[in-house]
Amino acid sequence: DQQVKQNSPSLSVQEGRISILNCDYTNSMFDYFLWYKKYPAEGPTFLISISSIKDKNEDGRFTVFLNKSAKHLSLHIVPSQPGDSAVYFCAASGASGTYKYIFGTGTRLKVLA
Amino acid sequence: DTGVSQDPRHKITKRGQNVTFRCDPISEHNRLYWYRQTLGQGPEFLTYFQNEAQLEKSRLLSDRFSAERPKGSFSTLEIQRTEQGDSAMYLCASSLNLITDTQYFGPGTRLTVL
Repeated sequence: DQQVKQNSPSLSVQEGRISILNCDYTNSMFDYFLWYKKYPAEGPTFLISISSIKDKNEDGRFTVFLNKSAKHLSLHIVPSQPGDSAVYFCAASGASGTYKYIFGTGTRLKVLA
Repeated sequence: DTGVSQDPRHKITKRGQNVTFRCDPISEHNRLYWYRQTLGQGPEFLTYFQNEAQLEKSRLLSDRFSAERPKGSFSTLEIQRTEQGDSAMYLCASSLNLITDTQYFGPGTRLTVL
């Protein structure tokens, strides 16, 4: 049972434009959501997070939006840069009172120069 | 460098052999997690420690897997009698004991079982 889903395995965007990565979840008990970026042969790098009490969190070029009624979150990257090319994972936690993260399967972003 | 470190970065072994991986968390972090990632998937939770106590184990962690964190600092993950299906990236993460608990990951250990 995939509780966190990233339905787009890949995305290509022109440099300077907006990248929008999407994530859906099924468990309404999740209360903390995160985005990680991963380069090949490296561990995931934390990007940005959002608590369920908020609907938006912004950090520089990165903004995460949370729509609890739709059980949907998205990551916006503006403007996109070639160095943003990586695999992006969304993760959720808080269900069942544990701290483990449930990850999606990732979206490969390619930013074209 | 004060990030999470893992050793070794790569391990190639023959089926049936035992392997052990080490993780050193960020020094002030008292929670430590192990995840496994296979090709095309996101990281999957294996187990976590708060200080030296192992508080949760996934059903993915079969009897051949054991993890320890003896003094609440570094942790080891041992796989006995390795199988080809154990080939994966093994990731360690650590976090502070906070309500919103961001986990910071190490570079991972890539295990290949021949």
